[in-house]
Amino acid sequence: GESVGLHLPTLSVQEGDNSIINCAYSNSASDYFIWYKQESGKGPQFIIDIRSNMDKRQGQRVTVLLNKTVKHLSLQIAATQPGDSAVYFCAEPRILSYNTDKLIFGTGTRLQVFP
Amino acid sequence: EAGVVQSPRYKIIEKKQPVAFWCNPISGHNTLYWYRQNLGQGPELLIRYENEEAVDDSQLPKDRFSAERLKGVDSTLKIQPAELGDSAVYLCASSLDFSASSYNEQFFGPGTRLTVL
Repeated sequence: GESVGLHLPTLSVQEGDNSIINCAYSNSASDYFIWYKQESGKGPQFIIDIRSNMDKRQGQRVTVLLNKTVKHLSLQIAATQPGDSAVYFCAEPRILSYNTDKLIFGTGTRLQVFP
Repeated sequence: EAGVVQSPRYKIIEKKQPVAFWCNPISGHNTLYWYRQNLGQGPELLIRYENEEAVDDSQLPKDRFSAERLKGVDSTLKIQPAELGDSAVYLCASSLDFSASSYNEQFFGPGTRLTVL
């Protein structure tokens, strides 16, 4: 079946460095993606989204890049801080019918920030 | 603004026992979702409500799982009887309304961590 998923289960970075978290998807028709951050003991929290008519979108210290040719997106975090430690999911909302949608999550990458 | 509230936060039960989880969505949010998140995985949708109507329960194991949202506000998810494989985090989320033409952001609660012994 079609999927959205992440490349690496764990990423360790030093505080102050930039982090890059990757995600691949298989459905060429996918047109909207969301990155979520999930801290320990909390639910996923929306970080940033991107539509397929864009190849880059920037937020505060975060940038999402979308490469539709190779069906790949990435989340870049600038100047990574200890508070960025969490599991990051890429997710794709899919409208299945007029009254049915599904938010498909990848398996997640755990970002560990060390001093 | 208060977020999505869930209780209990943790629950430990023995297999074959019943268990219930409660969720109060963000005020004004008509759409409510229940997800299950297994260890090391992303959340997977169990059921979606539009007001009090369950409009998508295709992923809910109906032999032992049930859910209700009687007044279209708070919701309860029940498992009876629980099995070892039900150990997971059960997340509730809410959004303003469902739209087939655009995506409304889902806001997640902290979840209930269920351990079945």
